[in-house]
Amino acid sequence: AQKITQTQPGMFVQEKEAVTLDCTYDTSDQSYGLFWYKQPSSGEMIFLIYQGSYDEQNATEGRYSLNFQKARKSANLVISASQLGDSAMYFCAMREGWSQGGKLIFGQGTELSVKP
Amino acid sequence: DGGITQSPKYLFRKEGQNVTLSCEQNLNHDAMYWYRQDPGQGLRLIYYSQIVNDFQKGDIAEGYSVSREKKESFPLTVTSAQKNPTAFYLCASRSGINYGYTFGSGTRLTVV
Repeated sequence: AQKITQTQPGMFVQEKEAVTLDCTYDTSDQSYGLFWYKQPSSGEMIFLIYQGSYDEQNATEGRYSLNFQKARKSANLVISASQLGDSAMYFCAMREGWSQGGKLIFGQGTELSVKP
Repeated sequence: DGGITQSPKYLFRKEGQNVTLSCEQNLNHDAMYWYRQDPGQGLRLIYYSQIVNDFQKGDIAEGYSVSREKKESFPLTVTSAQKNPTAFYLCASRSGINYGYTFGSGTRLTVV
């Protein structure tokens, strides 16, 4: 069964430093997509970055980059130059195959706290 | 601006009552999804719909029902059969063209 695992329930980082949030996944599909979302205390889900399984280069979006290691089935999020506003829950998610409705499967999340 | 509107933002329900959560999108997206989130947890899929008049159960469908009579609307009913309905509910939609998912701002349901 497809599964997303985030092993870090909570992380602390000093402002302006970089931080890596871990995500491993399990799937037998050849075509899949990996997402990272940020959820502040207000509850909204904010899309950060996407990586397709066939993309050869790691995705980057501003201060966010996705360290995609296909053989290890990992898709870690790297946030460079952390800001106080980065404090939130972060979720890794995987899109299942289109024949299965393109559903998103989520990990348990990592709560990131940025210290001044 | 296009987006997903969930209403109400907060909802209180007495035990034994059914309640319906609204989800409306003006993005012309084909697929829509309902997720449940418990405190400190990830999102779990309740129901999803890929086209009008069709929907499928997700991982935790028991005690919930949905309808998809219009492309824009995907309401979720939390029935009295749902034993622990207190949670945060998120609706999402996806375009059939690209990989983007759009989420609503959520409804926080509390059973009193």
